[in-house]
Amino acid sequence: KQEVTQIPAALSVPEGENLVLNCSFTDSAIYNLQWFRQDPGKGLTSLLLIQSSQREQTSGRLNASLDKSSGRSTLYIAASQPGDSATYLCAVIPVDSSYKLIFGSGTRLLVRP
Amino acid sequence: DGGITQSPKYLFRKEGQNVTLSCEQNLNHDAMYWYRQDPGQGLRLIYYSQIVNDFQKGDIAEGYSVSREKKESFPLTVTSAQKNPTAFYLCASSNLAQPQHFGDGTRLSIL
Repeated sequence: KQEVTQIPAALSVPEGENLVLNCSFTDSAIYNLQWFRQDPGKGLTSLLLIQSSQREQTSGRLNASLDKSSGRSTLYIAASQPGDSATYLCAVIPVDSSYKLIFGSGTRLLVRP
Repeated sequence: DGGITQSPKYLFRKEGQNVTLSCEQNLNHDAMYWYRQDPGQGLRLIYYSQIVNDFQKGDIAEGYSVSREKKESFPLTVTSAQKNPTAFYLCASSNLAQPQHFGDGTRLSIL
């Protein structure tokens, strides 16, 4: 059964720092991997989607990489800002799962001014 | 604007009562999903529907029921059989293997 793990569970950094969030999954048979952002009391906003054939995706200050063979993905945030403070979740769609997302428990990020 | 609308934002349930959470989408997506989120945890799938008049149980379907009579609508009923319903409920929609779009959630509490 596919399991998704995110480390660390919480992270506090000063503004301007570059940071990396980690996501690991147990079964490499996936269609894709997504990174989401969740603000307190809100729904999820999709940040980046990496197809299984891709190695990375970039959007602005965000870069997500995927190493399917090792079951790992990283989300790199450059020059962090207080507005980046949120919970970041990764999720995978396993092959033969009827396209259901399996989520990690998230990393809660605080960027201090 | 296209999107997903969940209502109400906050809901309170009395013991023994069934309550229904609304989810409507105007994105013309085929698939819709209901998730439950407990504090400090990721999302767990309750039910999902890939086409109208068809739906499947997710990982934690016990105590919940759904219907999919229209493409745009996927209401979730939390029945009295769900003994621990306090949670944040999120609805999502997508076309298969494409990014899921989420509503703003409904927070359910017990009176």
